[in-house]
Amino acid sequence: QKEVEQNSGPLSVPEGAIASLNCTYSDRGSQSFFWYRQYSGKSPELIMSIYSNGDKEDGRFTAQLNKASQYVSLLIRDSQPSDSATYLCAVNPPGFQKLVFGTGTRLLVSP
Amino acid sequence: SAVISQKPSRDICQRGTSLTIQCQVDSQVTMMFWYRQQPGQSLTLIATANQGSEATYESGFVIDKFPISRPNLTFSTLTVSNMSPEDSSIYLCSARTGLLYEQYFGPGTRLTVT
Repeated sequence: QKEVEQNSGPLSVPEGAIASLNCTYSDRGSQSFFWYRQYSGKSPELIMSIYSNGDKEDGRFTAQLNKASQYVSLLIRDSQPSDSATYLCAVNPPGFQKLVFGTGTRLLVSP
Repeated sequence: SAVISQKPSRDICQRGTSLTIQCQVDSQVTMMFWYRQQPGQSLTLIATANQGSEATYESGFVIDKFPISRPNLTFSTLTVSNMSPEDSSIYLCSARTGLLYEQYFGPGTRLTVT
């Protein structure tokens, strides 16, 4: 089992819709979770971090964490074509300084 | 957050040679990391670089092939030694700025080995 799993996609949504990106992780002791956005040919950009169960909202983005289910998600409301990118989920394994990244989900928002 | 620069942004090298990639952060950071990303693939951590101590390498990566320096709290280098075409990739450095585990990435170095 991979440490961090994401559906590779592509996830296609129309402009204005809600995009829902999902991520599961294997280490139940993990405490820190991150979402990065990576445009083609660019480096990853941190867009959300979440540490506690529940929802965390920042503008059009909402991160959701459920530690019991070992599940973290990212919702993008009012999706825009400019949101088209690969979204990487990252988890800090307990006892380590590093992040473990999922393989990413490619999101396509059509006008 | 942190502003991170990398040099060179891209290079084309011959097999058997070495390339040193520089990573500069605009503020003092606790930890720096080096990743490799193949086209269309996710990030693979090469090593973690602490100031004043040896780098910690991930499984499959060795110091002889990827020596790392971290002379101060704002700078690190990664050398790709004795390159082969399989080393063609994007190399990214990142930095952790505080007690939290979030990392910020540099723009990357695109390496092509011929």
